[in-house]
Amino acid sequence: DVKVTQSSRYLVKRTGEKVFLECVQDMDHENMFWYRQDPGLGLRLIYFSYDVKMKEKGDIPEGYSVSREKKERFSLILESASTNQTSMYLCASSWGGEKLFFGSGTQLSVL
Amino acid sequence: DQQVKQNSPSLSVQEGRISILNCDYTNSMFDYFLWYKKYPAEGPTFLISISSIKDKNEDGRFTVFLNKSAKHLSLHIVPSQPGDSAVYFCAARTQGGSQGNLIFGKGTKLSVKP
Repeated sequence: DVKVTQSSRYLVKRTGEKVFLECVQDMDHENMFWYRQDPGLGLRLIYFSYDVKMKEKGDIPEGYSVSREKKERFSLILESASTNQTSMYLCASSWGGEKLFFGSGTQLSVL
Repeated sequence: DQQVKQNSPSLSVQEGRISILNCDYTNSMFDYFLWYKKYPAEGPTFLISISSIKDKNEDGRFTVFLNKSAKHLSLHIVPSQPGDSAVYFCAARTQGGSQGNLIFGKGTKLSVKP
């Protein structure tokens, strides 16, 4: 089975802090994604990557950046966390145009 | 503009009855549709999919129907069980579009009551 692992289940950070969310997949998938889920808004794509060192903006990239130095690892960075970035963050990976496999999510609270 | 719409935020069904979750889309270039199920504090898990060349796909208690002319798909769960209580997301992929880049609806929260 594909395993997508997110480094933290719960995080509490202060406004203005730099936050790193890490994601690792073990199936040699080309594509990796970061979504956030908010009640009533569904899943919104932040960034995605088709290959190492490549990144593409999703629907809501503002306030975020990403890094993909190795194929299996995709990091989401909040340069200066704000309260409106409190959310559930979901990492996913896929091979080609096939279905996405999601991690368990990181619930981030920014105080 | 929302390309994938789930107009019912919530649905409540009695155990043993049928659950029908609906999804509408606007982009005629979508060629592949998926349903994901999500429990609280967990990531979404893939449930079932359908290609635009089909109008029905079945997997155990779950059946997805696609009506291309109406740009509508539905997920049927028969019989519904309390463990099916979760948020269900409809998703679509554009033909020739970004590999694996899915567009999700806002979700429908299903509650199955014993």
